[in-house]
Amino acid sequence: AQSVTQPDIHITVSEGASLELRCNYSYGATPYLFWYVQSPGQGLQLLLKYFSGDTLVQGIKGFEAEFKRSQSSFNLRKPSVHWSDAAEYFCAVGARRDDKIIFGKGTRLHILP
Amino acid sequence: DAGVIQSPRHEVTEMGQEVTLRCKPISGHNSLFWYRQTMMRGLELLIYFNNNVPIDDSGMPEDRFSAKMPNASFSTLKIQPSEPRDSAVYFCASSATGGTYGYTFGSGTRLTVV
Repeated sequence: AQSVTQPDIHITVSEGASLELRCNYSYGATPYLFWYVQSPGQGLQLLLKYFSGDTLVQGIKGFEAEFKRSQSSFNLRKPSVHWSDAAEYFCAVGARRDDKIIFGKGTRLHILP
Repeated sequence: DAGVIQSPRHEVTEMGQEVTLRCKPISGHNSLFWYRQTMMRGLELLIYFNNNVPIDDSGMPEDRFSAKMPNASFSTLKIQPSEPRDSAVYFCASSATGGTYGYTFGSGTRLTVV
């Protein structure tokens, strides 16, 4: 069965610092992978997605993620965070022949001024 | 496009009452998903529809929960009778080609059962 693990419940970084949020997945074949962001009181917004091809994926708001098959990982990165990036981030995995997407528990990002 | 529209945004009801949550997906999207979000359990998929047909309702917690999609532009999630443990944020999402190209989420309905 598919599963997604986000090992960090909370992450705190200083504004302007770099960011990496971890995501590990479990799936037998090549998965579809996603990162979503949720601001307080809002729904989830798609940041980026990976289906195939180049393993480094660019998304909105300056985020990128790298698919590493050997590590079953899809970590999210940003070179310099802004106070507005404070939110909860969800990694998700889907299967090619399935409509469902399974979400991780989320990582809440806090930004220090 | 107005996006996925959910109503109401907030609902406070007494235990035992019937609650109906509503969702209008993005026009042209043929898949619709209902999720529940709580602090303890995170995001849980309750049920999803393809072309108005329920495909997987294995996430519906109990018979008190039911969902319908009478047409391509409307879906409801009903809880009858409601219980305090149903308090959560309920999200609706839609997608154009099944779920695997990413969903568009609504803003959610925050349900409080007292």
